[in-house]
Amino acid sequence: EAGVTQSPTHLIKTRGQQATLRCSPISGHTSVYWYQQALGLGLQFLLWYDEGEERNRGNFPPRFSGRQFPNYSSELNVNALELEDSALYLCASSSRLRGPQETQYFGPGTRLLVL
Amino acid sequence: AQTVTQSQPEMSVQEAETVTLSCTYDTSESDYYLFWYKQPPSRQMILVIRQEAYKQQNATENRFSVNFQKAAKSFSLKISDSQLGDAAMYFCAFSASAGGTSYGKLTFGQGTILTVHP
Repeated sequence: EAGVTQSPTHLIKTRGQQATLRCSPISGHTSVYWYQQALGLGLQFLLWYDEGEERNRGNFPPRFSGRQFPNYSSELNVNALELEDSALYLCASSSRLRGPQETQYFGPGTRLLVL
Repeated sequence: AQTVTQSQPEMSVQEAETVTLSCTYDTSESDYYLFWYKQPPSRQMILVIRQEAYKQQNATENRFSVNFQKAAKSFSLKISDSQLGDAAMYFCAFSASAGGTSYGKLTFGQGTILTVHP
């Protein structure tokens, strides 16, 4: 069974540009989660999508947005990039077959560097 | 608000020995789940073990076991017969539900770097 995949693995942007990160969940999983792992700030929850809708959002400005497609893959968009957006962005997926809280399985991450 | 605290920034263990990583959490929710994830240098987060709060029995997965003390809000991870491949950053994580609906998000501790000496 293929795991969560993310693309690209690395992304270099300049301040003010936009970044788009992509995630494909494990087959059969309908929920996708995005996390930011910045140096010194630990792992912070960004967004949760399920069945195409945003279900929860972390404490991030509106320039962090995303969407989930009918095939359950997801995009994370970061507009007006700032230097402090440099981080590892992790995507995770889960199913909801067994109840409201399923284990989240993570992808390898996209490392974003803002210059 | 939920918080997760890992008080040991770094731990080390000799190969084949046992090590325990500490984690405490704070929540007002009654329905929650606790996890330990491992992040090796490759940065891929790997699930180590999961514990449902309503279960009194401590979870075990091969060489990995937890000591879940619900009243003390403590959730420690014991690694037995440590192997070189266990070297990684270990994160304790928490997830809650209310009324059967998940909040979705994982709240992570700061992490503990585990070094395994041959």
